Amino acid sequence: QKEVEQNSGPLSVPEGAIASLNCTYSDRGSQSFFWYRQYSGKSPELIMSIYSNGDKEDGRFTAQLNKASQYVSLLIRDSQPSDSATYLCAPSLGSARQLTFGSGTQLTVLP
Amino acid sequence: GAVVSQHPSRVICKSGTSVKIECRSLDFQATTMFWYRQFPKQSLMLMATSNEGSKATYEQGVEKDKFLINHASLTLSTLTVTSAHPEDSSFYICSARSGEWEKLFFGSGTQLSVL
Repeated sequence: QKEVEQNSGPLSVPEGAIASLNCTYSDRGSQSFFWYRQYSGKSPELIMSIYSNGDKEDGRFTAQLNKASQYVSLLIRDSQPSDSATYLCAPSLGSARQLTFGSGTQLTVLP
Repeated sequence: GAVVSQHPSRVICKSGTSVKIECRSLDFQATTMFWYRQFPKQSLMLMATSNEGSKATYEQGVEKDKFLINHASLTLSTLTVTSAHPEDSSFYICSARSGEWEKLFFGSGTQLSVL
């Protein structure tokens, strides 16, 4: 079993719709969770972090965390073509350890 | 967010030459830097972790004599690809964190093409 699993996609949604990206992780010691966005040919950029169970909202983005289910998700409301990218899920085992990245979900928002 | 600068952004070289990539933290002290490699349509693959002033820790399967990493200061780490070959062609990305931070900040990446 992979440490971090994401649906590789591609996931296509129409402009204005809600995009839902899912991630499961195997290590119950994971404490913090990060979502990175990576455009083709570019390096990842941090878009969301979540540390406790529940929802965290930041603009059009909402991260959801359920540690009991070892599940974290990212919702993008009012999706825009500029949101088209690969989204990487990265749980953290603490500052002394490197992040483990999922393989990413490729999102395409259709105009 | 914190700024990590990576240079060069693109390099083309002949087989057998060495290439040095620099990664600098511009507005924070990077106690730990990570080097990744990414092939097209694949995820990030961690190559090595470097802590300031100590030897880098390489991931399994990464040749330490081929990929030389130096983290001589709290703001600079370098990756040197020695005797590069076409199979080394890839997108190399550095990232950095400071102290108790868990989140990583990434450099802009270096696209290496070995002819």
